Amino acid sequence: AQSVAQPEDQVNVAEGNPLTVKCTYSVSGNPYLFWYVQYPNRGLQFLLKYITGDNLVKGSYGFEAEFNKSQTSFHLKKPSALVSDSALYFCAVRDGYGNNNDMRFGAGTRLTVKP
Amino acid sequence: DTAVSQTPKYLVTQMGNDKSIKCEQNLGHDTMYWYKQDSKKFLKIMFSYNNKELIINETVPNRFSPKSPDKAHLNLHINSLELGDSAVYFCASSQWNSDTGELFFGEGSRLTVL
Repeated sequence: AQSVAQPEDQVNVAEGNPLTVKCTYSVSGNPYLFWYVQYPNRGLQFLLKYITGDNLVKGSYGFEAEFNKSQTSFHLKKPSALVSDSALYFCAVRDGYGNNNDMRFGAGTRLTVKP
Repeated sequence: DTAVSQTPKYLVTQMGNDKSIKCEQNLGHDTMYWYKQDSKKFLKIMFSYNNKELIINETVPNRFSPKSPDKAHLNLHINSLELGDSAVYFCASSQWNSDTGELFFGEGSRLTVL
């Protein structure tokens, strides 16, 4: 079955600095990869996805992610962090050849951006 | 208009009680889900329905019973509530066979069992 791993429970960055939230995946077929953000006491919101094509995908709020097939990674990045980016970030994967109904989430990474 | 709406948002109840959480989506999607988020924020899929048919039924106690009266609704009924059922339950929807396939989540229902 497909799975994702987010190796960092917590990421701390200073406002204005670049940020990276890491994600690696495992699937038997082609990966469909997603990032979601969860603000306190809210549901998850979709940020961006990789299905096919350009390895660098751009999403909401200035976030982008790079798909790296050889390293089976899909790290989330932003060139300049804002305090308002502080939230819980989830990576997710769906197997493009399998039951495309089944999306699996990582354990989440808490991003804290300090002024 | 809220795309995926869940009620109630908060639910506090005693052990042994039976409770239900309702979910409705107005996105025209044909697939709906229930996820459980525990105190460590880990998100685990419980059930998935496609056009009112059960597709995914993870290892969940049979005290949990989903019901989908139509493809816009997926309710979750929980019998004989236990302390360990305390969590935030999220409903989500998506379109099967969509090229995109991202999920749209409700705001969550926080269940506290005393």
